[in-house]
Amino acid sequence: QVTLKESGPGILQPSQTLSLTCTFSGFSLSTYGMGVGWIRQPSGKGLEWLANIWWDDDKYYNPSLKNRLTISKDTSNNQAFLKITNVDTADTATYYCARIEGLGALDYWGQGVMVTVSS
Amino acid sequence: DVVLTQTPPTLSATIGQSVSISCRSSQSLLHSNGNTYLHWLLQRPGQSPQLLIYSVSRLESGVPNRFSGSGSGTDFTLKISGVEAEDLGVYYCVQGTHAPRTFGGGTKLELK
Repeated sequence: QVTLKESGPGILQPSQTLSLTCTFSGFSLSTYGMGVGWIRQPSGKGLEWLANIWWDDDKYYNPSLKNRLTISKDTSNNQAFLKITNVDTADTATYYCARIEGLGALDYWGQGVMVTVSS
Repeated sequence: DVVLTQTPPTLSATIGQSVSISCRSSQSLLHSNGNTYLHWLLQRPGQSPQLLIYSVSRLESGVPNRFSGSGSGTDFTLKISGVEAEDLGVYYCVQGTHAPRTFGGGTKLELK
């Protein structure tokens, strides 16, 4: 059974660095073709792709945020991470991680973690 | 970036009615490897998105067969043949052919 769960700080102040963790089970990020992506959704709005990381440590970032994003993984502990530097109120959203399977579909999603940026 | 335009933005349906949602891409989603990485998601109120259809027309395991996907190139359609109450929510198309991945703006399915 595949599960993913996001964790994060809940609330942080502008200019701080947001650190998110995706802890998953039921698959391995060392398996050929597997990936994990991060997606966010401001309240009442649509979905925005942030970044993804593949089994071979290849990484892709949304160019609109690229300078602020860092994605990484810990294969041994079945975790993926996302850091966003210099946050502001526009980064307030629910953040999801999702598994990316061989044909690129986001087939399993975490429950999401709400992050609020406020002074 | 590839822009995915979904229409209509809102769809009102009665139970049992068949409906279709369109997703048009600003570029062809046919990858050089022959695959088309266009998928459909449903986000029910208060829930995470879930995968319905992948690679244009492949039904995800456990998804009812009243859902179907079709299309090619830049034009894609999700059809629900006989809406049920549990189908209400927001539908998104998402493409993975071109980096960065992009989502459509969503289509909200409501009960009439």
